[in-house]
Amino acid sequence: KQEVTQIPAALSVPEGENLVLNCSFTDSAIYNLQWFRQDPGKGLTSLLLIQSSQREQTSGRLNASLDKSSGRSTLYIAASQPGDSATYLCAVRKAGTALIFGKGTTLSVSS
Amino acid sequence: DAGVIQSPRHEVTEMGQEVTLRCKPISGHNSLFWYRQTMMRGLELLIYFNNNVPIDDSGMPEDRFSAKMPNASFSTLKIQPSEPRDSAVYFCASSPRTGGGEQYFGPGTRLTVT
Repeated sequence: KQEVTQIPAALSVPEGENLVLNCSFTDSAIYNLQWFRQDPGKGLTSLLLIQSSQREQTSGRLNASLDKSSGRSTLYIAASQPGDSATYLCAVRKAGTALIFGKGTTLSVSS
Repeated sequence: DAGVIQSPRHEVTEMGQEVTLRCKPISGHNSLFWYRQTMMRGLELLIYFNNNVPIDDSGMPEDRFSAKMPNASFSTLKIQPSEPRDSAVYFCASSPRTGGGEQYFGPGTRLTVT
């Protein structure tokens, strides 16, 4: 059974820092991996989608990497801003199935 | 595009009552998913449909839960009878491809059962 773990569960940083959020999964036979952002009381916003054949994806200040063989992904946020404060969720998917989510990392960026 | 639409956004009901949650996926998307989010268990799949057909309902907690997708633009999740432990946020998501592809989430329905 696929399990997704995110470390750390919470993170506090000052504005301007670069930071890395970690995601690990137990079954490397995934189809894709998706990073989401969730603001308090809100829905999920998709940030990046990495297909199993890809190593990384970039969008603005965000960069996500995927090492399928080791069951790991990282989300790198450059030059963090207070507006980045949210919970970041990692989810993996096998072909023809639904997403399996981690519990998330709650990020707080102070000004 | 309006995105995935869910209604109601908030629902408060008494134990034993029937609850119906509604979802309109993004037009043209072939797959629809229902997830539930709680503090204890995080986000978990309840059921998903491909081309209006239920594919995996292994996440449906018990017979009190049922889901339908009568056409490509509408799905319902029904709980009958509701219990306090059903209190959670229920999300609907859709995806443009049946095998994979990015999932787009609705704003969720916050259900409180007293």
